[in-house]
Amino acid sequence: QVQLVQSGAEVKKPGASVKVSCKASGYTFTGYFIHWVRQAPGQGLECMGWINPTSGGTNYAHKFEGRVTMTRDTSFSTAYMELSKLRSDDTAVYYCARWPGPHYGMDVWGQGTTVTVSS
Amino acid sequence: EIVLTQSPGTLSLSPGERASLSCRTSQSISSSYLAWYQQKPGQPPRLLIYAASSRATGIPERFSGSGSGTDFTLTISRLEPEDFAVYFCQQYGSSPLTFGGGTKVEIK
Repeated sequence: QVQLVQSGAEVKKPGASVKVSCKASGYTFTGYFIHWVRQAPGQGLECMGWINPTSGGTNYAHKFEGRVTMTRDTSFSTAYMELSKLRSDDTAVYYCARWPGPHYGMDVWGQGTTVTVSS
Repeated sequence: EIVLTQSPGTLSLSPGERASLSCRTSQSISSSYLAWYQQKPGQPPRLLIYAASSRATGIPERFSGSGSGTDFTLTISRLEPEDFAVYFCQQYGSSPLTFGGGTKVEIK
């Protein structure tokens, strides 16, 4: 079936970087954009940006520019999100989500990866 | 950045009742670019409605979306026990994509 499977939980110290993976299966990886969305504990949803798996083109939310890098490996149908210079307020669950296109919502989500930033 | 404001923050209802959730955007958006999601504790969001009024695959008919411009509504015609959750609206027509703060539908 169509699914996105993310890498496991991470614990990082302030100032470090984290790289989360998102492996797609059950569909053509290059046919859909991948968005990254995060959710701090007890809070709402925040879009970080997206990657076009076909071209590798990216669009980052202004808030994360300079700290986030989204990449993909089409050979492994996997998208990656790396966030650097981590702070305590980056503690959150990070989700990847598939996006069929401009007139659709995010229809398939990964299970989430908990990233904890603590000294 | 387009800000989405959801109301009420919490809705206390009984199974079988009708739920109406509001989402207002800070500027007018095309109805093609408004979605609703349901989220339960410990789970990722689940797409319910896209393009303001189109149900996603497998979503029951009791969920419906409406609205245009800056005012959008998600209606659950008769609440089932599994519908008690948090609901988010999202606009995806303007970068950055943004979500509303959510409405929690709780059992009264």
